[in-house]
Amino acid sequence: AQTVTQSQPEMSVQEAETVTLSCTYDTSENNYYLFWYKQPPSRQMILVIRQEAYKQQNATENRFSVNFQKAAKSFSLKISDSQLGDTAMYFCAFSWNSGNTPLVFGKGTRLSVIA
Amino acid sequence: DGGITQSPKYLFRKEGQNVTLSCEQNLNHDAMYWYRQDPGQGLRLIYYSQIVNDFQKGDIAEGYSVSREKKESFPLTVTSAQKNPTAFYLCASSIGTGAKNIQYFGAGTRLSVL
Repeated sequence: AQTVTQSQPEMSVQEAETVTLSCTYDTSENNYYLFWYKQPPSRQMILVIRQEAYKQQNATENRFSVNFQKAAKSFSLKISDSQLGDTAMYFCAFSWNSGNTPLVFGKGTRLSVIA
Repeated sequence: DGGITQSPKYLFRKEGQNVTLSCEQNLNHDAMYWYRQDPGQGLRLIYYSQIVNDFQKGDIAEGYSVSREKKESFPLTVTSAQKNPTAFYLCASSIGTGAKNIQYFGAGTRLSVL
């Protein structure tokens, strides 16, 4: 079974600084997707960024970027120029690349951005 | 607006009672999912449905039931057999391989036991 591990239950960062959230996963599959979702205090799940395993280039979305290391099964999220609105739970997730399949989530990292 | 609507926002269950959580989507998505969120546990899959009239159990299906009679709707029933139902429940949907399996979530239902 696929597993996703987030080893940092809580993190904090000063406003305007950069922070990196860690995620590792375990799978025997070769084609899959990886995601980072954000859950702010409203509890609405919001997609932050997505990576396709067959792509070597790391995905970026504005201030958010990933470091995807396929051999190491590592998928970290870097947030640059942190803003107060980035305060949230962040979940790393995995899915198979075979149509509509469920996500496997890590337990999350609670990020606090401090003014 | 297109999206996923979960209702109610808060729900209370008495001992021995079955309760149903509603999930409706107008995104024309084929697949729908139910996840349960407990503190410190992340999200865990209860049931999912890839097409109408078909659904599969997830990791924690015991004590829950679902139906998928319409593409837009995927209600979740928490039965009296679920001994620890207090949690936050999230419904999601996705369109398929063309959209890289991106899942969109509703706002959630908080279920508590009286």
